[in-house]
Amino acid sequence: DTAVSQTPKYLVTQMGNDKSIKCEQNLGHDTMYWYKQDSKKFLKIMFSYNNKELIINETVPNRFSPKSPDKAHLNLHINSLELGDSAVYFCASSQGTGISGNTIYFGEGSWLTVV
Amino acid sequence: DAKTTQPTSMDCAEGRAANLPCNHSTISGNEYVYWYRQIHSQGPQYIIHGLKNNETNEMASLIITEDRKSSTLILPHATLRDTAVYYCIARIQGAQKLVFGQGTRLTINP
Repeated sequence: DTAVSQTPKYLVTQMGNDKSIKCEQNLGHDTMYWYKQDSKKFLKIMFSYNNKELIINETVPNRFSPKSPDKAHLNLHINSLELGDSAVYFCASSQGTGISGNTIYFGEGSWLTVV
Repeated sequence: DAKTTQPTSMDCAEGRAANLPCNHSTISGNEYVYWYRQIHSQGPQYIIHGLKNNETNEMASLIITEDRKSSTLILPHATLRDTAVYYCIARIQGAQKLVFGQGTRLTINP
């Protein structure tokens, strides 16, 4: 069973298009994240949702709009795609902010190429 | 979150113990040391974390110095599948995010 799953795994699209990446976790976690890994391999957080509420937005362009229909899902919609959006997008989840430190679990990534 | 410093790359022979160092000299008392790894083309994988005491699980051991300014991740019997980028992260207790650095690219050689 895949704990954090995201679709599609690969996506090639043209500049200017709008696309979505979906994420689902079956761990019963209440917090979900989107991370971006660029061509230089740096992993950076984009968004975090806790119980469907946005709690982290790391100065991401407003072309990126996350949506969390419920605690188990966090989708990422990208409008007017640009070449610089080409990257691997990782979804992740964790259980709250317990005092022992909440471990974050990642999905396998969605490879987005904008041409 | 405290800044961590890791060597850019390391090599280890298959079957030997791989010892990955991490410096976190500015770590505060409520920051945990987390280790993740990223195998090529996969998502980051949690390995282990600790606060003060040494920790061990089925994947690795974490040795934290008494002053907590550095730590070592130990893979006791490295295999080729352990080739990956290993990230050492100092994370405030209860913090909502992980801040990744450049990590150590560990290559296990046959």
